[in-house]
Amino acid sequence: EAGVTQFPSHSVIEKGQTVTLRCDPISGHDNLYWYRRVMGKEIKFLLHFVKESKQDESGMPNNRFLAERTGGTYSTLKVQPAELEDSGVYFCASSLGPRTTDTQYFGPGTRLTVL
Amino acid sequence: LAKTTQPISMDSYEGQEVNITCSHNNIATNDYITWYQQFPSQGPRFIIQGYKTKVTNEVASLFIPADRKSSTLSLPRVSLSDTAVYYCLVGDFVTGANNLFFGTGTRLTVIP
Repeated sequence: EAGVTQFPSHSVIEKGQTVTLRCDPISGHDNLYWYRRVMGKEIKFLLHFVKESKQDESGMPNNRFLAERTGGTYSTLKVQPAELEDSGVYFCASSLGPRTTDTQYFGPGTRLTVL
Repeated sequence: LAKTTQPISMDSYEGQEVNITCSHNNIATNDYITWYQQFPSQGPRFIIQGYKTKVTNEVASLFIPADRKSSTLSLPRVSLSDTAVYYCLVGDFVTGANNLFFGTGTRLTVIP
């Protein structure tokens, strides 16, 4: 069974540009999460989808970030316009259930560099 | 809010037992403790999870004292392939995922 996949693996853009990251969860996983680690800091939660609905978006840093999961399958995370401090690694994870005890499976991440 | 603290790095010889401790003094009643392993260019991979006392699975043990203000991941007889970064995560999705805290990670290097 395929794991969580993310695209692209790396993205280098200039400040002010737009970037869209994609995550394909494990098939059948209703729960999808976005996390990020900015340079030198801890991994932080961004948001949680249950199917196509945003269950918890309390970790989204500001309105330059827009996450969607139309149809409840793959998800996209758009950053517009990108700022220097957005550089980091963006991880996606999926799980069968929404509970803390439901194992989350992480993708390999997208490394975003904003110049 | 349960911030976590871990040692930045540890070295161990092959075949030894490795114990990595995470401090989380402000852990909340509903919080679970989860440990992840991460290799370069990969995402974190679940190792073990617990709420209190001791949990053991096929790859590790997790020791949690009664006050739950710390936890210790124990890896028995490490091999070179265990060289990775280990994170502890404290929190609870029910009360709010923004209260989840990953540690800064402990870089374990296993030496032949």
